Amino acid sequence: KQEVTQIPAALSVPEGENLVLNCSFTDSAIYNLQWFRQDPGKGLTSLLLIQSSQREQTSGRLNASLDKSSGRSTLYIAASQPGDSATYLCAVTPRTGFQKLVFGTGTRLLVSP
Amino acid sequence: NAGVTQTPKFQVLKTGQSMTLQCAQDMNHNSMYWYRQDPGMGLRLIYYSASEGTTDKGEVPNGYNVSRLNKREFSLRLESAAPSQTSVYFCASSPIDSQGNKAFFGQGTRLTVV
Repeated sequence: KQEVTQIPAALSVPEGENLVLNCSFTDSAIYNLQWFRQDPGKGLTSLLLIQSSQREQTSGRLNASLDKSSGRSTLYIAASQPGDSATYLCAVTPRTGFQKLVFGTGTRLLVSP
Repeated sequence: NAGVTQTPKFQVLKTGQSMTLQCAQDMNHNSMYWYRQDPGMGLRLIYYSASEGTTDKGEVPNGYNVSRLNKREFSLRLESAAPSQTSVYFCASSPIDSQGNKAFFGQGTRLTVV
């Protein structure tokens, strides 16, 4: 059974700092990995999707990498801002069975001014 | 440009009551999903529908039923609510081939069962 783990569970940084969020998964047989952002009381917004054949994806100040063989992904946020404060979730789409997402429990990020 | 719309946003039920959570998407996606989110447990899949007319159980289906009314709408029903069903419920949709496509989520329904 695919399991997804995110470390740390919470992170607090001052504005301007570069930071890395970690995601690990137990089974490398995946179609893709997605990083989501969730604001308090809101739904999830997909930030980046990395297909299994890709190594990384970039969007603005965000860069996500994927090392499928080791079962790891990182989300790098450059020059963090208070508006980046949110919970970040990663999810994989396993190759077994129908394509559905398996989520980690998230990292709650607080960026202070 | 609504995306995925869920109703209601908040609901309080008494134990044993029933209710239906509604979900509609306007992106012409084939696949739709219902997840629940609980503190410390992440999002867990309740039911999904690969295409119109089909539904299948996910990880935590007990106590729930679903209906894929048409391509746009996918409802979740609690027949006899229990306090263990207190949670935030999310509906999502994606194209049938999700290898290169992102999942889209609704804003969630916060359900409390007392």
